[in-house]
Amino acid sequence: QQPVQSPQAVILREGEDAVINCSSSKALYSVHWYRQKHGEAPVFLMILLKGGEQKGHDKISASFNEKKQQSSLYLTASQLSYSGTYFCGTEFDGGTSYGKLTFGQGTILTVHP
Amino acid sequence: DADVTQTPRNRITKTGKRIMLECSQTKGHDRMYWYRQDPGLGLRLIYYSFDVKDINKGEISDGYSVSRQAQAKFSLSLESAIPNQTALYFCATSPAGGFGEAFFGQGTRLTVV
Repeated sequence: QQPVQSPQAVILREGEDAVINCSSSKALYSVHWYRQKHGEAPVFLMILLKGGEQKGHDKISASFNEKKQQSSLYLTASQLSYSGTYFCGTEFDGGTSYGKLTFGQGTILTVHP
Repeated sequence: DADVTQTPRNRITKTGKRIMLECSQTKGHDRMYWYRQDPGLGLRLIYYSFDVKDINKGEISDGYSVSRQAQAKFSLSLESAIPNQTALYFCATSPAGGFGEAFFGQGTRLTVV
């Protein structure tokens, strides 16, 4: 079961903030965030493990609500370089689910000058 | 050199033909994955391998097969290609012990006509 991302697309001006959400119907062990620029491979941003921790580096951070099986990615003071498609990947909790990542459908983020 | 190398980068093939996509990695990771990307559907897992003797089906394995020739090499085959297998294919690796940061190859764009 693919996690559901929202919104599907967002358009920003430089300096504006954005939030991308990722929701799962199954219990999660971890949530991963990746960014993919057009024509390139996805690039790792961060991992969050169950326990509700928040992580971040520079102006990009994320949270994981274990009870709701939801994660949010926060981009603050957006830069042109933030443009791309953002994917959440979920590792389900239990059984044979460990070690494989199920990705959401992606959120297209466009930052304009 | 790239950590994860996919060959070929682009391929056009005819319906019914057998085709192999190759992936090699220099990360020393035990785990390797094949994903397929279609617009609006995100990345979907085809097959994954936790080591040379451990190969598992993903969400959409029908019509595909894999071979793990060595720790560093993981090949994906389409036994009899069909047009709806036209997609962008990514190989990825991650270290053992849970799904850590994944490293993706540059992708193979496959067109089946």
